[in-house]
Amino acid sequence: NAGVTQTPKFQVLKTGQSMTLQCAQDMNHEYMSWYRQDPGMGLRLIHYSVGAGITDQGEVPNGYNVSRSTTEDFPLRLLSAAPSQTSVYFCASRTGGGNEKLFFGSGTQLSVL
Amino acid sequence: ELKVEQNPLFLSMQEGKNYTIYCNYSTTSDRLYWYRQDPGKSLESLFVLLSNGAVKQEGRLMASLDTKARLSTLHITAAVHDLSATYFCAVIYAGNNRKLIWGLGTSLAVNP
Repeated sequence: NAGVTQTPKFQVLKTGQSMTLQCAQDMNHEYMSWYRQDPGMGLRLIHYSVGAGITDQGEVPNGYNVSRSTTEDFPLRLLSAAPSQTSVYFCASRTGGGNEKLFFGSGTQLSVL
Repeated sequence: ELKVEQNPLFLSMQEGKNYTIYCNYSTTSDRLYWYRQDPGKSLESLFVLLSNGAVKQEGRLMASLDTKARLSTLHITAAVHDLSATYFCAVIYAGNNRKLIWGLGTSLAVNP
């Protein structure tokens, strides 16, 4: 049972580079989301999706794009990386309806130099 | 807007001692979660509390919810080193697509 799979686990970028963080889940969850975790700031929601073709912004969406073409995949794109985007990124998913228990991926440690 | 406050943010405990972590939230909510995060790892769901007076226990951890006081507690009994981790509470925000609002986490270190 793979659950939520995130790749890569570690990434170093130079300022201005672009990249995509991959997230896939095999639990047929409708809801998927991306968080960033920074020391002293807790978890902050970047973007989320309630189903294929539907995405919306969270608390800190600037500098990030998402799309949801399938139920399984929810990639996060950094178009022009900035040092402020250095963080640990988590993808999470859950079923729809009233069950909001989130299942998290293993995280991506991103450093932007 | 819903705010979630945890205290303490840092806790150093001796093995065998009892302690409590508190999670306060600012507006009405119908669901509260506790998660655990080991250093450098992902988050794992511990408890889901659905109603006033709900109590859940697993091993040395017991969580409770008082919706009238807007307070949840995570009680640790006879702490052991394996419980060293960061514990987060998260509360459903009833408006705005039922987003989870997170506390900042309590970093717990259990020392011999």
